[in-house]
Amino acid sequence: GAVVSQHPSWVICKSGTSVKIECRSLDFQATTMFWYRQFPKQSLMLMATSNEGSKATYEQGVEKDKFLINHASLTLSTLTVTSAHPEDSSFYICSARFQGSTGELFFGEGSRLTVL
Amino acid sequence: GENVEQHPSTLSVQEGDSAVIKCTYSDSASNYFPWYKQELGKRPQLIIDIRSNVGEKKDQRIAVTLNKTAKHFSLHITETQPEDSAVYFCAASTYGQNFVFGPGTRLSVLP
Repeated sequence: GAVVSQHPSWVICKSGTSVKIECRSLDFQATTMFWYRQFPKQSLMLMATSNEGSKATYEQGVEKDKFLINHASLTLSTLTVTSAHPEDSSFYICSARFQGSTGELFFGEGSRLTVL
Repeated sequence: GENVEQHPSTLSVQEGDSAVIKCTYSDSASNYFPWYKQELGKRPQLIIDIRSNVGEKKDQRIAVTLNKTAKHFSLHITETQPEDSAVYFCAASTYGQNFVFGPGTRLSVLP
């Protein structure tokens, strides 16, 4: 299947700092990428839909100034958690939809953020 | 919007037995239904999917059935093995739009 790579896989930061997570589609172009947050033993919660060349669409309750999303190319989307606090600690996963006729969704490895 | 429910939330089976996970969806426009397997700390992996023009699909020990009228679809795993233990998520999507995931089912296959 198509490959989506996410970096870093884990990060520990101090409260108040910003953290950037990258999501790349390695072998296909993705005009749309999705960012999810997953709490322990829970499902995937969609945070925002990232569209190449335009502003991201955020889900209700997700602060766009807190979670900055940039999708500058067809293979890269970034999520920046600004002024991170301990409650932002979570598993963040990106996904990209394959633009072929099938439209399957492929996930990155996920990034575990721990804010001290 | 779409709402996906999934049952059971946890499921334990003996090795070799079958496991069935059921999902329901609310939006009749949904036409694509994938199933993902997620092991602890890892990414969800697509294991099988079905489209609305098909009623059943099988891939070795895994099968998915879809009832469009009732708006439900099910995952069937036969001859379960310990490595099948994971969390399974169903999802519903209209091609070109976002995927809505079910809450997940934690499957434990007991040796």
